[in-house]
Amino acid sequence: QQQVKQSPQSLIVQKGGISIINCAYENTAFDYFPWYQQFPGKGPALLIAIRPDVSEKKEGRFTISFNKSAKQFSLHIMDSQPGDSATYFCAASLSGAGSYQLTFGKGTKLSVIP
Amino acid sequence: DGGITQSPKYLFRKEGQNVTLSCEQNLNHDAMYWYRQDPGQGLRLIYYSQIVNDFQKGDIAEGYSVSREKKESFPLTVTSAQKNPTAFYLCASSIRDSSYEQYFGPGTRLTVT
Repeated sequence: QQQVKQSPQSLIVQKGGISIINCAYENTAFDYFPWYQQFPGKGPALLIAIRPDVSEKKEGRFTISFNKSAKQFSLHIMDSQPGDSATYFCAASLSGAGSYQLTFGKGTKLSVIP
Repeated sequence: DGGITQSPKYLFRKEGQNVTLSCEQNLNHDAMYWYRQDPGQGLRLIYYSQIVNDFQKGDIAEGYSVSREKKESFPLTVTSAQKNPTAFYLCASSIRDSSYEQYFGPGTRLTVT
């Protein structure tokens, strides 16, 4: 049972454009939503994360938008650069005592072309 | 430098052999995780450990085994019972009870022929 659905599977954006990746979750108990970035042959790295009591979080060119009622969240990459070409994973988790698992989406391969 | 090391980066084995993947961390994290990554499948949790001498099965534990004798180390054994062992294996760690922020190693690509 996939608890976090991610789309699109792949995305091609021109340099300077906006990249948008969407995720939807099912479990309303999730209370932390991170995004991970993975370059080929490397392990993923935490990029940005948001809690559901916040509708938007921005860090540099990366913004998470969160819609709690729709159970959806998205990653926006402004002014996309070739160096942003990577696979992006959304995820969801439970925080606090007893939390043990991070549920990942299947990933979006982003290619930013010059 | 603090971080997670996985060795080797590439590993080749014959079908029917058990193989052990190494994972070491010096971040002083209590929790450690093993994931399997296949193209288009995302990251799937194999095993996790929140504390030394304790570990739990993840979503796809069949054909795998782990041990957690030291806080710094969490080796994964891929047994001959694993039907499709060829994959990219990732080890991660986190502060206990804070699974959303996991630190990943560089991974081991296992090829079984």
